[in-house]
Amino acid sequence: GAGVSQTPSNKVTEKGKYVELRCDPISGHTALYWYRQSLGQGPEFLIYFQGTGAADDSGLPNDRFFAVRPEGSVSTLKIQRTERGDSAVYLCASSTPTGELFFGEGSRLTVL
Amino acid sequence: KNEVEQSPQNLTAQEGEFITINCSYSVGISALHWLQQHPGGGIVSLFMLSSGKKKHGRLIATINIQEKHSSLHITASHPRDSAVYICAVCPGGTSYGKLTFGQGTILTVHP
Repeated sequence: GAGVSQTPSNKVTEKGKYVELRCDPISGHTALYWYRQSLGQGPEFLIYFQGTGAADDSGLPNDRFFAVRPEGSVSTLKIQRTERGDSAVYLCASSTPTGELFFGEGSRLTVL
Repeated sequence: KNEVEQSPQNLTAQEGEFITINCSYSVGISALHWLQQHPGGGIVSLFMLSSGKKKHGRLIATINIQEKHSSLHITASHPRDSAVYICAVCPGGTSYGKLTFGQGTILTVHP
């Protein structure tokens, strides 16, 4: 498809486990963003990639969260030692050079 | 106080009514986005504004940079407009997608 693709759409894990969430942006979009949306809240910015590098990771809540984009396309958000408070929908977006944003459907993470 | 405040938080309307959702923000911005989120679904960008007014179909978005205020209007509302509408701002000097989001306005349009 031509849109932003996120997998898995749903992930249930146990406290303490490691989780990876994947984002496949629109082809050619060099900017990629991760956000987190807790139930009943607006999304919060996590990290921004321009190409392969993390241009701004100021929104990552702590060092259990890490994201990579090794080839400048697909990005993976990695969460170590998951906690119940990490339960949320993790959203990915990519943008055109003029800032038009395209969002994926999100990955719903539930930590039991 | 949140940097981005939306009002109302919940809005119920009858089909055909004119709807206004407001967004106030407290920081200097380079752009403001209006987003739509359906239950269980992803987010769709409706508008990106840095000044003035934009129109797309039955949707109109306006922004007043001096007053730090934006409005989203829906004319001739329809039940399919039922969704959460989110205002998000891009603080000046940051990348386009480093957004600060409002809490969202839950809109329900009854037939």
